[in-house]
Amino acid sequence: DGGITQSPKYLFRKEGQNVTLSCEQNLNHDAMYWYRQDPGQGLRLIYYSQIVNDFQKGDIAEGYSVSREKKESFPLTVTSAQKNPTAFYLCASSSSPNTGELFFGEGSRLTVL
Amino acid sequence: AQSVTQLDSHVSVSEGTPVLLRCNYSSSYSPSLFWYVQHPNKGLQLLLKYTSAATLVKGINGFEAEFKKSETSFHLTKPSAHMSDAAEYFCVVSVRTKLVFGTGTRLLVSP
Repeated sequence: DGGITQSPKYLFRKEGQNVTLSCEQNLNHDAMYWYRQDPGQGLRLIYYSQIVNDFQKGDIAEGYSVSREKKESFPLTVTSAQKNPTAFYLCASSSSPNTGELFFGEGSRLTVL
Repeated sequence: AQSVTQLDSHVSVSEGTPVLLRCNYSSSYSPSLFWYVQHPNKGLQLLLKYTSAATLVKGINGFEAEFKKSETSFHLTKPSAHMSDAAEYFCVVSVRTKLVFGTGTRLLVSP
């Protein structure tokens, strides 16, 4: 079955540590996205990539980094520079950045202890 | 600037009664509008979309929404709620390649 796989589903981190969230898709989509979700707020865009080896900052990129070395993969690193990293992180993909139709993974919940 | 306002943070209904989730949008351009649903600890799933064709849009699971330009609204409705409809619903506006999400409406369905 085609879809998006995020791992891990739950992650605990100590302050000052970097952590990498995995996102893999087998939908053959060109565009991939990372969103952050906090209680009572809508989704906020962290980074997006429209093509391999290219990515752009979203609205809240500070303290995060990404790479897009393969079409299928778009990992997100939450660095120690991110002031408030505890959140639910969602990865998504779309066949075209113009459609607005996103396919989402099931999310990764990061908790900083 | 583009934005969406979801007028209710929570909506409670009884099973079998109608559902109305309200969304107003603001856009300088002709928008594309979407409703997404999110069940607890899951990703979002597209319910329906409006892209300047018919103003009444039908989606999955019996949901539909009507685009009203004069009221800048895109409310989501369902004639009869089911327990499985309990979830969070997001109204989204897309202009060019940018998506702007509303803050969500949590739908509670009681037996």
